[in-house]
Formats: sequence, structure tokens, C-alpha cells
Amino acid sequence: QITLKESGPTLVKPTQTLTLTCTFSGFSLSTSGEGVAWIRQPPGKGLEWLAVIYWNEDKLYSPSLKNRLIITKDTSTNQVALTVTNMDPVDTATYYCVHQSGYGSVADWVDFWGQGALVTVSS
Amino acid sequence: YELTQPPSVTVSPGQTATIKCSGDKVGDKYPCWYQQKLGQSPVLIILHGDKRPSGISERFSGSRSGNTATLTISGTQAMDEADYYCQAWDSRNDFVFGGGTKLTVL
Repeated sequence: QITLKESGPTLVKPTQTLTLTCTFSGFSLSTSGEGVAWIRQPPGKGLEWLAVIYWNEDKLYSPSLKNRLIITKDTSTNQVALTVTNMDPVDTATYYCVHQSGYGSVADWVDFWGQGALVTVSS
Repeated sequence: YELTQPPSVTVSPGQTATIKCSGDKVGDKYPCWYQQKLGQSPVLIILHGDKRPSGISERFSGSRSGNTATLTISGTQAMDEADYYCQAWDSRNDFVFGGGTKLTVL
């Protein structure tokens, strides 16, 4: 069974850099086709996809945020990290780590979600 | 790329609920649908337009054509009350969600 769990700070100040870590089990990011992504959801609002990293180091970023995002993986520890620079109060959201499937197919999809981690941006 | 959903849909128990998702040629982008109940993480209920993942009730079905993707919930139950999001993969450039539709069973 695939599980994912987010960890990181719950409160960051404006202009600071946020780094979140996703620790997962049930699959390996060294296996062909596997991907881990980040999705966020501001309180009371909709979902926003941020970035994905695949087993082959292929990375894709949201066009609207790509200048502020870095996604990395550590296959040996089953972890994926997301760095978001220059945080702003509008970045306050629950950040989800997810398993993204479908690489090489007609379209990707998200089939497993972490429980989410609320990050508040405030001075 | 944008996907548009109605903010809310209301349905009576036992009736069929239909939620539409509009976007340029969304039918060609093999859209997915997710259900999010209050305080929980989303759950995939339809992928590639019309496929149900294992464990998802047969009451949920999807279709896609042209600029519209449709989620249909037959025999709607109180437990189906949730937010529903459509999603499309825009040429490996962006993984886009619709704004979400709040389904009320009343």
C-alpha cells in the first residue's frame, strides 16, 4: 500500500524560503514510471498543482510558479523535497505530497495523497 | 489552460447528479475527477475520462467530448456530499484543476 507523509515548518515569515519533505512508502522512485508531486490548497479554496519529479529525474513545474520552486528526490531515503522561495501570505495553504502516475501514457493522474501539511505565512 | 466548473450543484437523495467541466478540447486531454470530503484529502474517482479506479462505486461515471467533461453520480447518497474537482494534463506543460464544485444532497 502506498503512503505519503509531509513534514516541515507550520509557520514561515514573508520572504523566507519554505522547504517541505515528503516521506513515502509502498513504491520506489527508482522504478520506471513512478512520480511524486506536490499540490497545495489555500484554506477554503481549490487545488493547485505545483511540481512533479519522476524516477528518471524528469521534473515539471507549474508555469505560474516555476521561478520559485525546486523539487528534488533522494531515492535512498524515499524522500522528495519541495523548496518554495520568497514566501508570501498568499502562499498559505495545505501542501499535499502525492503519487503521480501515468508517465508515458496519454495523461498523468494522482492516485494517492498524503494527509497534507498546513503552512501559514505570517510575520 | 483553464477548466471551469459550476461552484455548486444540488441534488435530491436518490437522484442523478451531473457536474460539468469546461475547457478547450478537454475531451482530448483524458480528464480525471477527484472527490474531497470536508477535512479530508482528495480521492481519485475517475481517470482518463471514464475509468473508475479499484474500489470506487459504480454509481460514479465519467464521460468526455469536445470541450466538456462530465461526472455523473447516480442514486446520489448523503455520503456523496463533497467537493468535486476535474483535472486535465495539458500537454505535459501543466497539471490543471478546475475550481471545484460543491455537491449538496438535499
